[in-house]
Amino acid sequence: SQQGEEDPQALSIQEGENATMNCSYKTSINNLQWYRQNSGRGLVHLILIRSNEREKHSGRLRVTLDTSKKSSSLLITASRAADTASYFCATDEYSGNTPLVFGKGTRLSVIA
Amino acid sequence: DTEVTQTPKHLVMGMTNKKSLKCEQHMGHRAMYWYKQKAKKPPELMFVYSYEKLSINESVPSRFSPECPNSSLLNLHLHALQPEDSALYLCASSQPDGTVDDGYTFGSGTRLTVV
Repeated sequence: SQQGEEDPQALSIQEGENATMNCSYKTSINNLQWYRQNSGRGLVHLILIRSNEREKHSGRLRVTLDTSKKSSSLLITASRAADTASYFCATDEYSGNTPLVFGKGTRLSVIA
Repeated sequence: DTEVTQTPKHLVMGMTNKKSLKCEQHMGHRAMYWYKQKAKKPPELMFVYSYEKLSINESVPSRFSPECPNSSLLNLHLHALQPEDSALYLCASSQPDGTVDDGYTFGSGTRLTVV
């Protein structure tokens, strides 16, 4: 079953602009993670935010988590053409040691 | 070594064939996963191994048979597949309790085509 739902499904921006992707989920979680996938390749872990955290930064990435709204956002600042990829949020349910369930993903295109 | 290695990268098989996908990691991770991903869709969980024991089978058809020979290796045996099983098969590993900040490490996947 899918836990996370991202929006928008697709996003096209110019190089240098910021990209914001949103994720909503349904159940209580231990943590929320964001992954990047280049076309037809494996997923790369970007950042993990725990349920008791509200914001986290890593380089050009900023993630927020609002557990009351069951939502998260990923902001990529000063985007580059190399950021073109699909981005997925993933959650594990609070009820136990459950594996990650991925949202539908956002396809980001950064135009040089 | 911080990688998950999957072989082969591409596989074409007939519906009567038997083949195996292999996955290897040397990061000391004790949880390993198989995910299936169709085009433009998110990865969908198939199996989870924790400490070399199958802990989750997401109602996967028996034509897919996982095996975990040791803590570093994970196999997926394929037999009598259908064309709709064509997909990217992803292996991943992690610490079992998922509390570390580096999440799952994924391999590059095996692109499977069933003809």
